[in-house]
Amino acid sequence: DAMVIQNPRYQVTQFGKPVTLSCSQTLNHNVMYWYQQKSSQAPKLLFHYYDKDFNNEADTPDNFQSRRPNTSFCFLDIRSPGLGDAAMYLCATSRDATGGPDTQYFGPGTRLTVL
Amino acid sequence: GQNIDQPTEMTATEGAIVQINCTYQTSGFNGLFWYQQHAGEAPTFLSYNVLDGLEEKGRFSSFLSRSKGYSYLLLKELQMKDSASYLCAVRDSNYQLIWGAGTKLIIKP
Repeated sequence: DAMVIQNPRYQVTQFGKPVTLSCSQTLNHNVMYWYQQKSSQAPKLLFHYYDKDFNNEADTPDNFQSRRPNTSFCFLDIRSPGLGDAAMYLCATSRDATGGPDTQYFGPGTRLTVL
Repeated sequence: GQNIDQPTEMTATEGAIVQINCTYQTSGFNGLFWYQQHAGEAPTFLSYNVLDGLEEKGRFSSFLSRSKGYSYLLLKELQMKDSASYLCAVRDSNYQLIWGAGTKLIIKP
């Protein structure tokens, strides 16, 4: 089945220790998104790629970086995780960012714990 | 600023009907989405409205009034598995999705 896959599902890191979360998709969608979601809050868009074009949200901290080496894969790097970065990180994809429903399909998420 | 408002929590009884409301104020409008999110899991797509009126999909229906900046999700014949958060999201004029914080729906036997 075509899908969005995230690894790992659970990640524990230490304060200040870099961590990388990965996302892959078999939907062949052009757009990939990274969201941060804290308990009982709306998902917060960190950045998205339209193909290789990177779009950073204005309020995304510099501590968060992303890479998309090819259509299928996208990575989220947190350079120096703080306690406030503990959250669920959701990867999503959509076919095209403009026009039509362009529904976003989500991976299962990575739950990040910072000790 | 842009804003999506939904009730924080609702409770309903198994077998009953529940309506979850969403009001929005956004820069432009290019469609409204409803997603279901079970605790600790990713959101899954439920419905999409871009024109005024009711979209029905099985036990779930979604209504939109663009002039009022208002939508609702109607769930019929509630089942225990419908216990989840329901998120309303609006696509604005920049094709960005603006998300609500979600309504936690608790189903009681």
